[in-house]
Formats: sequence, structure tokens, C-alpha cells
Amino acid sequence: ELKVEQNPLFLSMQEGKNYTIYCNYSTTSDRLYWYRQDPGKSLESLFVLLSNGAVKQEGRLMASLDTKARLSTLHITAAVHDLSATYFCAVDTNAGKSTFGDGTTLTVKP
Amino acid sequence: DTGVSQNPRHKITKRGQNVTFRCDPISEHNRLYWYRQTLGQGPEFLTYFQNEAQLEKSRLLSDRFSAERPKGSFSTLEIQRTEQGDSAMYLCASSASQGRSYNEQFFGPGTRLTVL
Repeated sequence: ELKVEQNPLFLSMQEGKNYTIYCNYSTTSDRLYWYRQDPGKSLESLFVLLSNGAVKQEGRLMASLDTKARLSTLHITAAVHDLSATYFCAVDTNAGKSTFGDGTTLTVKP
Repeated sequence: DTGVSQNPRHKITKRGQNVTFRCDPISEHNRLYWYRQTLGQGPEFLTYFQNEAQLEKSRLLSDRFSAERPKGSFSTLEIQRTEQGDSAMYLCASSASQGRSYNEQFFGPGTRLTVL
């Protein structure tokens, strides 16, 4: 059974600081997703990572994938308050259903 | 708006009642997924359809749960004899099985179920 683990589960950081969220998964997969979820809202797709070494950047967020290590990272650069949310990684199994991590709740403080 | 839509957005029911939720996927998507999310957890897969065929069901989907997608477009998720443990956000997502956005899932706003 595929397991997806994120760490940390909770992250409090100051504006302007950098930090990395980690996502480990237990079996081979060919695609990994990062989502953002605001309280009481649905999931917003951030990144789709399709191959080993893939790196994608959008604003202050950058995601990478190492399929050999079964590891993805979401790096936050110079955090701002608007980035406060819960971030999920999800890994595709066969036929496209996704297995999600438990999420990392990020709080950015002034 | 051509995104995934779900109805109702909120449902409060008494234990033992039946409830039904509807999901309308993005029109050109042939895959449709149902997930359940409880507070502090990531979404858990329940079931998925390709066109009208239900291809996989999670062990989480007890015999009180049933899902249909009769014409390969919208889907319904029914929960019979609801229990308090069914209280959760029920999320629907859709994707295309081919093309540039192959298998990228787009989520609807969810239906929040509260069982009293």
C-alpha cells in the first residue's frame, strides 16, 4: 500500500524567511502533485511533477522531484502572510487515483 | 464557469437518514473521483469512474455508500443510514485520461456533511 508522508505537519515562520516542506512516498510513482488548501475551501493545484529531476517554480514557491529517493520538496522563499495555508502532496498510483499526505499547515507571521 | 461543481455545499442530517450528493465534472473530463476529507487529514480516495464505469472502490467505501455515474457525465454519491463518523467534507475531482493535462485532477468546492 502506498504511503505518503509529509514533514513537518505544522510550520510557523516569519515573513521573509525561507523554508522547505518534504514529501516522502513509499512506492514507485510517475507523477506527484502539490496542492494548496485554505480553511474551509477545496484544493487548488499548484504543481504537477512528472519526471525525475523536475523542478517547477511559481512566485515564491518551488517544487522538485527526486523519483530515485522518492522525495519531493516544496521550497518557500521569502515567505509572506498570503502563503499561510495547508499544503498537500499527492502521489498517483495506477489508473490515476491519488494518495495524499496529511498536509503541512503553514502559518506566516509578520 | 467550467470548473467542477458540487451540490449541496453543506448538508446537515440526523443519524440514520440517507443523503445524496451530486458532482458535475469539467465537461471534457472522462474521469471522476470521490474523496473524503476529515479535519486535519488529507483527502482519502473513495472511488473513481472512467466514463460511466466504476473502476475502483476503496475499502473505506462500506456497503452504505454507493456512487453512480449513469451517463458518464455527472455523478452522485449516496450514503444510507448515516452515522456520526460519516461527518466529513466530500470532495469530487475530475481529470482527462489523455492529452496535455493527462490525469491532473481538478477539485470541486466540496460538500460538507454533518451528521447529528
